[in-house]
Amino acid sequence: QKEVEQDPGPLSVPEGAIVSLNCTYSNSAFQYFMWYRQYSRKGPELLMYTYSSGNKEDGRFTAQVDKSSKYISLFIRDSQPSDSATYLCAVNDYKLSFGAGTTVTVRA
Amino acid sequence: NAGVTQTPKFQVLKTGQSMTLQCAQDMNHEYMSWYRQDPGMGLRLIHYSVGAGITDQGEVPNGYNVSRSTTEDFPLRLLSAAPSQTSVYFCASSSGLAGNEQFFGPGTRLTVL
Repeated sequence: QKEVEQDPGPLSVPEGAIVSLNCTYSNSAFQYFMWYRQYSRKGPELLMYTYSSGNKEDGRFTAQVDKSSKYISLFIRDSQPSDSATYLCAVNDYKLSFGAGTTVTVRA
Repeated sequence: NAGVTQTPKFQVLKTGQSMTLQCAQDMNHEYMSWYRQDPGMGLRLIHYSVGAGITDQGEVPNGYNVSRSTTEDFPLRLLSAAPSQTSVYFCASSSGLAGNEQFFGPGTRLTVL
């Protein structure tokens, strides 16, 4: 069983829509949860970071962790064409384990 | 700071050839790692290092060797390239293990014919 499962999509939304991305993880001991954003032909960059359960908001981005259901979510409000990228969830103990990544296209 | 640099950007090999992918970082990070990225499979850890002289295997280590003689450099060696090693390879570094941001290089696109 993979440590992190993520629907690879792809996901296409109109500009201004809310984008909802989700992952599940298998090990309840994980404490660190991250979302990386990867533009085409580039390396991933850290977008959001959450420790333990709860919500974290940064501008148009909100990350949620529900440890009781082992569920990680990322929401993008008022999506823009510049948000078009692949989004990878990751869990971190002594190493990072990534989901498959979801490719998002925001149509102008 | 240049961050994490990787060379080459692109490489084509024939089956059975060997080569080394170079990775360097100038952030004085102790932790470095190599990933491969394949469609639909996300990033998979090949090898990692927690400091000079210390390396360990990740999820998919077969066919790859690493060494860490300095803090700055972490080369990845393909011993005898196979078509299954066609992938995009990313090197990353961080200041620690748990809970630390990993900084990724721009990647090396490798094709094995």
